[in-house]
Amino acid sequence: DADVTQTPRNRITKTGKRIMLECSQTKGHDRMYWYRQDPGLGLRLIYYSFDVKDINKGEISDGYSVSRQAQAKFSLSLESAIPNQTALYFCATSDVDSYEQYFGPGTRLTVT
Amino acid sequence: AQSVTQPDIHITVSEGASLELRCNYSYGATPYLFWYVQSPGQGLQLLLKYFSGDTLVQGIKGFEAEFKRSQSSFNLRKPSVHWSDAAEYFCAVGAKGYSTLTFGKGTMLLVSP
Repeated sequence: DADVTQTPRNRITKTGKRIMLECSQTKGHDRMYWYRQDPGLGLRLIYYSFDVKDINKGEISDGYSVSRQAQAKFSLSLESAIPNQTALYFCATSDVDSYEQYFGPGTRLTVT
Repeated sequence: AQSVTQPDIHITVSEGASLELRCNYSYGATPYLFWYVQSPGQGLQLLLKYFSGDTLVQGIKGFEAEFKRSQSSFNLRKPSVHWSDAAEYFCAVGAKGYSTLTFGKGTMLLVSP
C-alpha cells in the first residue's frame, strides 16, 4: 500500500461548488503539506501543518482552507471553486527536522 | 528571499547520450538540496539529496548531482540516458531555520530515439 494516499484522484466540479481533497499517510510523519502544480509554474505551497494544532499558510493560500483531523490526515478545501483553481494538487509529508518530503500521487481537479 | 532557478524549461537528449540539468539557488543559509522526478501521471519521487559532506552525491536510477557553493548550483547528471528517464525534474532547496522547501519550476526531459 502507498505511504501517502490522496482522494479523489480526479475530480470535475462546477464554479461555486465546495470541494474537499483528502490526504492520508501511514509514514507516521508529523509534518504535512499541500501544493498545487500548474504547467510552467512548478509546485507552489498552499498550506502546511507541523502537527495537529499547527496550521500555516503557504505562498498561495487565498481561496483555500485546510483541516488537520489527525496526525495521519490533512484535508484541503475549496470553499467556492473557481476555474483558475484547476490544477494538479499534491499532498506531501516529512519527518520532524527532515526536509525530505514524500509525495502522494496527486489529485487532478478541474473547475468548469 | 529564497529562490530556485531551473533555466531550462525543456531539454531533448538522444537515448544513450549524457544529461545535465541545471539548478541555481539563492539562499541566505547553508542549503539542503534535492532533486525530484515526476513521471507522467505520477507523484514526485526523490532522486537524491545533499545536506552536507561530499559535494558529489549519488542517487537512484544512475543519477548524480554536484553541489558547487561558489556557483550556487546543484546540477543533476546522468552519463547515459534511457527512454524511461523522460519525465519532469524538479530541484528543491531548504535550509536550517526555514520551515519549508522552495521548488524550481521544473525541467521537462524528452528522450529521442
